[in-house]
Amino acid sequence: GENVEQHPSTLSVQEGDSAVIKCTYSDSASNYFPWYKQELGKGPQLIIDIRSNVGEKKDQRIAVTLNKTAKHFSLHITETQPEDSAVYFCAAALMNTGNQFYFGTGTSLTVIP
Amino acid sequence: DSGVTQTPKHLITATGQRVTLRCSPRSGDLSVYWYQQSLDQGLQFLIQYYNGEERAKGNILERFSAQQFPDLHSELNLSSLELGDSALYFCASSVVVGGTEAFFGQGTRLTVV
Repeated sequence: GENVEQHPSTLSVQEGDSAVIKCTYSDSASNYFPWYKQELGKGPQLIIDIRSNVGEKKDQRIAVTLNKTAKHFSLHITETQPEDSAVYFCAAALMNTGNQFYFGTGTSLTVIP
Repeated sequence: DSGVTQTPKHLITATGQRVTLRCSPRSGDLSVYWYQQSLDQGLQFLIQYYNGEERAKGNILERFSAQQFPDLHSELNLSSLELGDSALYFCASSVVVGGTEAFFGQGTRLTVV
């Protein structure tokens, strides 16, 4: 089955700096890669996703890049703000099949004011 | 608000007991997923239903079972509870089987004492 690895497990950045979280996946058939943000006491919230036919996607301060050959994808947050502090999860899935989402182990991001 | 509703939000019960967690998916979503999140753990996939039928099974214990009803709401039944079952249980829903956007509820925090 699919195996998703996520690094780093914790990340601290100064407000205004950029943060990068990286994930690798093992199943080359996976074609959908969402990122979730989980704040304390809340459920994971989808913040951005990318499909395998796209190499990069951007939404304001958040961007995701995908390298299918290397089987890795990354989340980039620019101009970080204290409210970006949360746990971020990457996931991989095979769209339109019976397969579930395979999640990384999470990155705890702290933005220091 | 993701549109996925989970009840109850909190549940405290004794070892050996049985509980039922309920999930109402977003309007129009046919697929429901259940995840377990223990302390300092990532999201562990339990089971997935699509339009009333079981589609995928993860690391779900035999003491746990689930079903999806004709109105598409789902229930997760946990029996013979043990201390180690204490965790956050999340439900997520999506329109189709497998990929595309999946939206999570706020979770049910189960504490077994």
